[in-house]
Amino acid sequence: AQTVTQSQPEMSVQEAETVTLSCTYDTSENNYYLFWYKQPPSRQMILVIRQEAYKQQNATENRFSVNFQKAAKSFSLKISDSQLGDTAMYFCALARETSGSRLTFGEGTQLTVNP
Amino acid sequence: GAVVSQHPSRVICKSGTSVKIECRSLDFQATTMFWYRQFPKQSLMLMATSNEGSKATYEQGVEKDKFLINHASLTLSTLTVTSAHPEDSSFYICSAPPFRLAGGSGLIEQFFGPGTRLTVL
Repeated sequence: AQTVTQSQPEMSVQEAETVTLSCTYDTSENNYYLFWYKQPPSRQMILVIRQEAYKQQNATENRFSVNFQKAAKSFSLKISDSQLGDTAMYFCALARETSGSRLTFGEGTQLTVNP
Repeated sequence: GAVVSQHPSRVICKSGTSVKIECRSLDFQATTMFWYRQFPKQSLMLMATSNEGSKATYEQGVEKDKFLINHASLTLSTLTVTSAHPEDSSFYICSAPPFRLAGGSGLIEQFFGPGTRLTVL
């Protein structure tokens, strides 16, 4: 079985500043994928960024980047130049290649961006 | 990106009645769809995996006779909450990964519906 842990239930950041959300996971498999999803107040799940475990290079998407430490099983999300629209619940998730697209989610981190 | 729709977005029903929620992939085919339940300020809990043309696979602790799933086509899965009770009130979300062609990328991605808020009185 695999687990995903987000140890920060809530975080806040000032607009334009940088914030890092933590995520650790556990899996016995070698081939897997990691994701960060955002769920704003509308509750629509939005993919923020994804990382293939076999890639050493950290994924980046504009203001969003990850720090993927495979040996430590850590997958943190850094948001630069935070914007008010970044206020949302953020979920870290893992999918094993052998389980198709089935996702295991972390508990979530509620991020609030303050003006 | 790919679009998944859910209908209805909100539903209120009386205790003891049944409610059907539809999940459609609008611009891609999905042999598999997933149904989640989410309580306020909590994570998504996988309820079941819907498989086109075969029986759904339910997670441990989920009553399959209460949460009936039908995946009748490559673009439609339905979740029926039978004999609903107030404790079934929740936010239900479906998701679908696009069907992977043979030899395609190993990257797996899901697209989520907007969710359905069920309130049972």
